[in-house]
Amino acid sequence: DGGITQSPKYLFRKEGQNVTLSCEQNLNHDAMYWYRQDPGQGLRLIYYSQIVNDFQKGDIAEGYSVSREKKESFPLTVTSAQKNPTAFYLCASSIGGSGQPQHFGDGTRLSIL
Amino acid sequence: GQQVMQIPQYQHVQEGEDFTTYCNSSTTLSNIQWYKQRPGGHPVFLIQLVKSGEVKKQKRLTFQFGEAKKNSSLHITATQTTDVGTYFCAGPGDGGTSYGKLTFGQGTILTVHP
Repeated sequence: DGGITQSPKYLFRKEGQNVTLSCEQNLNHDAMYWYRQDPGQGLRLIYYSQIVNDFQKGDIAEGYSVSREKKESFPLTVTSAQKNPTAFYLCASSIGGSGQPQHFGDGTRLSIL
Repeated sequence: GQQVMQIPQYQHVQEGEDFTTYCNSSTTLSNIQWYKQRPGGHPVFLIQLVKSGEVKKQKRLTFQFGEAKKNSSLHITATQTTDVGTYFCAGPGDGGTSYGKLTFGQGTILTVHP
């Protein structure tokens, strides 16, 4: 079955440490997205990519970095510069273009030790 | 920039009661999408509305897109405990640097008491 796989499901970060969240899709989608969700809150866009080797900052990109070397993969690195990283991180994909529905992965819950 | 507002933020209902959430955009939208996120889960796409004044139904759920394409509503008739979750509306970016993005509303958290 086609879908989006995020790993790990749970992740713990020590102070000063960078961590990378994985997102892989086999839907042959061109566009991929990373969102952050805090308890009881909506979805805030971190980064998105419309095509391989290209990506744009979203609304809260500071302290995060991404790469898009392959169509299927869009990993997110939470750097030590992100002072409040505890949140639920969701990866999504779409066929690309304007206004297309997005398909979401199961998410990664990141906590600080 | 474009803003998408949803009300109410929370709604508690008794099972069998109706529920409605409203979505308003600061700009005209080419389409409006609705998603549902179960507790502990991820958002799942429910439906997309494109035409002015469009109404679509999915069993007990009725979705409307306003005539001016700036507002939308989701109505659930006779809620069930399986309807529990957060309902989000989302609209496409208004072009330029927002191309390819969706702007999500804050969501309405629905609790259904049996």
